[in-house]
Amino acid sequence: KNQVEQSPQSLIILEGKNCTLQCNYTVSPFSNLRWYKQDTGRGPVSLTIMTFSENTKSNGRYTATLDADTKQSSLHITASQLSDSASYICVVSDRGSTLGRLYFGRGTQLTVWP
Amino acid sequence: EADIYQTPRYLVIGTGKKITLECSQTMGHDKMYWYQQDPGMELHLIHYSYGVNSTEKGDLSSESTVSRIRTEHFPLTLESARPSHTSQYLCASSGQTGRGYGYTFGSGTRLTVV
Repeated sequence: KNQVEQSPQSLIILEGKNCTLQCNYTVSPFSNLRWYKQDTGRGPVSLTIMTFSENTKSNGRYTATLDADTKQSSLHITASQLSDSASYICVVSDRGSTLGRLYFGRGTQLTVWP
Repeated sequence: EADIYQTPRYLVIGTGKKITLECSQTMGHDKMYWYQQDPGMELHLIHYSYGVNSTEKGDLSSESTVSRIRTEHFPLTLESARPSHTSQYLCASSGQTGRGYGYTFGSGTRLTVV
């Protein structure tokens, strides 16, 4: 069964600290993996997208890694800011972006305290 | 910047009323989707469309219906709203953009049926 599991479910950190969010998936065949940021009451906004051949992708203070062999991904947030408080969702696509479907994790709820 | 627009952002309505949630995109994407998301849960696909006059039901059974008469417009209708329909509804579209293949979400409609 194709699944996407994220951990931790929730996380609280102090402003300025780093954190790492985890994503494990069983989706097969694998096409790409995306990380989204979703503010409360808003739609998800794309942070990174990685294909099978990519091990790491950065977007400002966000760095995503992918190990396609172990089917694991992580999202590292550096020097956290209050505005980073949001849900971070891991999304895996099978086959191809034009034909494949998306499998969503439940997200990690990150809270950054001042 | 959002190229996909959903209205209304919030809607509180009485049981038995008919409602239509609007979704429009200006990216010329062929594919459009409706997702339902409850707090702390993953997104569930309820409808999708691969083009004009093409609509399909998604993974999660829904009493809602959709139509795709124009490429840019993908409204969702509930003929008789019930409290069990209370949820967040997210519209998305996918296709080629100047930055590659994109999958973009709208800001969502938070529906409350009382």
